[in-house]
Amino acid sequence: AQSVTQLDSHVSVSEGTPVLLRCNYSSSYSPSLFWYVQHPNKGLQLLLKYTSAATLVKGINGFEAEFKKSETSFHLTKPSAHMSDAAEYFCVVSDLTSGGYQKVTFGTGTKLQVIP
Amino acid sequence: GAGVSQSPRYKVAKRGQDVALRCDPISGHVSLFWYQQALGQGPEFLTYFQNEAQLDKSGLPSDRFFAERPEGSVSTLKIQRTQQEDSAVYLCASGPVGVPSYEQYFGPGTRLTVT
Repeated sequence: AQSVTQLDSHVSVSEGTPVLLRCNYSSSYSPSLFWYVQHPNKGLQLLLKYTSAATLVKGINGFEAEFKKSETSFHLTKPSAHMSDAAEYFCVVSDLTSGGYQKVTFGTGTKLQVIP
Repeated sequence: GAGVSQSPRYKVAKRGQDVALRCDPISGHVSLFWYQQALGQGPEFLTYFQNEAQLDKSGLPSDRFFAERPEGSVSTLKIQRTQQEDSAVYLCASGPVGVPSYEQYFGPGTRLTVT
């Protein structure tokens, strides 16, 4: 069975300082990993994804994430937070089941607050 | 191009009523997922279709929940005899193929409130 753990339910940073949102996963096979962002009253938007190519993945809006298999982690970072980054972020793991179809599991989310 | 659309966007139901929530995926997308997102929580998987086949319904919380996708495109999630704990945002997502490396494209959701 696969699972995702987002270690912080809330993260608060000052504008212009780095962002770190932590995610650990477990999966039986070789998963694909994603980060999605959800702004208030908006739909879920893909930030970036890892699919067994480069372990450092760059996404939109200056975000990036590094896949570390030994640590089963996929933490999301950004060098400098912007006010518009305030939102909820979800780490997602996707894998093939023994039945040959896609299984997707969301983390519980991390709310990012950016202080001016 | 058109994204995933869902209707209605908001639904208020009295306890005990039946509701039907519609999802129009992106044209040609093979995979279709339904999720339930309670207030302050992450999306919880409900069910998965590959074309018209419902391959996984392990997340449906009770036999009051039923989903279908008869022609492999539009999908309907039906909830019978709604209860207050069914209040949530119901999200639909579609994807181009049934492999795990493809991201999902989400609709805006239907906010269901059961009074």
